[in-house]
Amino acid sequence: EIVMTQSPATLSVSPGERATLSCRASQSVGGNLAWYQQKPGQAPRLLIYGASTRSSGIPARFSGSGSGTEFTLTISTPQSEDFVVYYCQQYNNWPGSFGQGTKLEIK
Amino acid sequence: EVQLVESGGGVVRPGGSLRLSCAASGFTFDDHGMSWVRQGPGKGLEWVSHINWNGRNIDYVDSVKGRFTISRDNAKNSLYLQMNSLRAEDTAFYYCARVAQHGGAGLAFNIWGQGTLVTVSS
Repeated sequence: EIVMTQSPATLSVSPGERATLSCRASQSVGGNLAWYQQKPGQAPRLLIYGASTRSSGIPARFSGSGSGTEFTLTISTPQSEDFVVYYCQQYNNWPGSFGQGTKLEIK
Repeated sequence: EVQLVESGGGVVRPGGSLRLSCAASGFTFDDHGMSWVRQGPGKGLEWVSHINWNGRNIDYVDSVKGRFTISRDNAKNSLYLQMNSLRAEDTAFYYCARVAQHGGAGLAFNIWGQGTLVTVSS
C-alpha cells in the first residue's frame, strides 16, 4: 500500500500570503495525484488531478505541481473561503490512498 | 445539474444492518464506476468499496469484506451499500462518489454526494 503523507498538518498564513501545501508518497505514483478541498460540513471537492490539471470550475489561484513522490498544492492568494482542509490522493495504484489532510488556517 | 444524493444513514446497534442508497442525476450513470468513501468523526477519508459500470467488478477495503455489499441498478440510476454486522468503528459519514477517468490504475473521484451519517452505538 502506498502511504501518502501531507505536511504540515496545519498551515497558518496571512490573508494574501501564498500558501504551499506538501504531499509525499511512499513510492512513485507518477503523475497520478489528486487534490481535494473539504469545507466544514461538506463533501470533498476535486481541485486538481494529474498532479497539475485544475478540475472544471476551479479558480486559477489553485495550482499543483510535482511528480513521482513529491507534490505541492499552491494557493497564490488565499481567499477567506480557502481556509479549510485539503487532502491529496494517489490513484496510481489500486484502489488509491489519501493523505491525512492539511488544515489551512488564517494567521 | 450533476448530482449524487445519499440516503439511509442512521443510528444502529453493533451487529445491526443498514442499507445506504445513492441517487444519481445529471449524467449517464452507467458510463461510470462508482465508489463509497467514508470519513469518521474528525478523521480523514477512507475508500470503502467500488463497483464498475456494469456491476461485474467489485472490490472492498479489507475491514469491510464479508460484511458490506455494494450493488447498483443502472435502470434506476442508483448505487447501494448493504452494511451488515456493523461495528463501532464503522461510524462515519458515507459518501458516494463518481470515479473520474483520469488514468492511473486507482480511483480518483470527481463528483461526491453530500454524505449520510452512520452511527453504530449501543
